[in-house]
Amino acid sequence: SQQGEEDPQALSIQEGENATMNCSYKTSINNLQWYRQNSGRGLVHLILIRSNEREKHSGRLRVTLDTSKKSSSLLITASRAADTASYFCATHKAAGNKLTFGGGTRVLVKP
Amino acid sequence: EAQVTQNPRYLITVTGKKLTVTCSQNMNHEYMSWYRQDPGLGLRQIYYSMNVEVTDKGDVPEGYKVSRKEKRNFPLILESPSPNQTSLYFCASSGGTGSYEQYFGPGTRLTVT
Repeated sequence: SQQGEEDPQALSIQEGENATMNCSYKTSINNLQWYRQNSGRGLVHLILIRSNEREKHSGRLRVTLDTSKKSSSLLITASRAADTASYFCATHKAAGNKLTFGGGTRVLVKP
Repeated sequence: EAQVTQNPRYLITVTGKKLTVTCSQNMNHEYMSWYRQDPGLGLRQIYYSMNVEVTDKGDVPEGYKVSRKEKRNFPLILESPSPNQTSLYFCASSGGTGSYEQYFGPGTRLTVT
């Protein structure tokens, strides 16, 4: 079952613009993570936000979490062509170490 | 270099011919997991392991087996592959309780004809 659902499914922007994608989930979580995947390759961890945090920054990335709405957003500022990839949110529940991934957002950054 | 390795990277096989995809990590991680990725379905967990000799089913375990005899290795076994197991497979590991970031292998693209 997919816990996280990303929106939009695809996003096309110009280099230098900001990219925002959203993730909604269904059940209580311990933390929520964002991963990046370049075409056909392994996923790379970007950032983790815990359930008691509301916002987190890492370089050009900004993640927010609203547990009352069961939603998160990932903002990539000043996008670059190298940011072209698929981005996935993944939720971690309190029990065990299982991650449940959403369907992903495909981001195309045009030079 | 800390990494998760998978072999083979690409495999074309025929229905019913048993195969094993190996996964190894050099980070002394307790937790390891297998996912399959299919277009429009995201990543779905097949099996996971919390430690040596401790494995459990994920969301889509049918048709797969795993074992965890050593901490570093977590092979995925398809006893009788079928065409619906054609997919991109990823192995991942993480440190365990309190360490939730997962490290992914490069993927194995499997085609079953």
